[in-house]
Amino acid sequence: GESVGLHLPTLSVQEGDNSIINCAYSNSASDYFIWYKQESGKGPQFIIDIRSNMDKRQGQRVTVLLNKTVKHLSLQIAATQPGDSAVYFCAETTYQKVTFGIGTKLQVIP
Amino acid sequence: EAQVTQNPRYLITVTGKKLTVTCSQNMNHEYMSWYRQDPGLGLRQIYYSMNVEVTDKGDVPEGYKVSRKEKRNFPLILESPSPNQTSLYFCASALNGGVIEQFFGPGTRLTVL
Repeated sequence: GESVGLHLPTLSVQEGDNSIINCAYSNSASDYFIWYKQESGKGPQFIIDIRSNMDKRQGQRVTVLLNKTVKHLSLQIAATQPGDSAVYFCAETTYQKVTFGIGTKLQVIP
Repeated sequence: EAQVTQNPRYLITVTGKKLTVTCSQNMNHEYMSWYRQDPGLGLRQIYYSMNVEVTDKGDVPEGYKVSRKEKRNFPLILESPSPNQTSLYFCASALNGGVIEQFFGPGTRLTVL
């Protein structure tokens, strides 16, 4: 699992600050956009999704924003904690196929 | 415990020697999928299955085969592995074809010499 973190965009955030992870998507016809978290040595884990007809959705400590005009998706994590350190992937789905982004590595500085 | 299991977790093999990576889920999910993960490329979908006996190609199906004879199992078959198939492989399942929330297995690290 460690090698998948190489060559990735990296975001370093102080513990307690808010994190914003960005993603550009390509398919205007995608029905849902999804964020996954991958900790070292593990498989990706679902965080939150947003339907294509929505602009914003909130979960526990996370908010996803969707801007269809510029095909941009973001994940905001409030009060970032050391346990948030991971690689974050956005994904888009057209109800059968799923396309993932390359990921962003989030490093939380204690 | 609800989970997706993969076997083996690690495998080193040689070019041309057929191998199968098994995947099983105990959540009665209809949808299952295989991905490969390579540095700088993210996860790329190999094959997916909407239900028993229904399989479709993802973005990188060349060199791979799958079958879905039972709902719980979705094996990935490499008939003649090559070094460019060295990768980290993940199996995933989802309740149905909406494919919003996928549950991933722990991964299989394959090295083809």
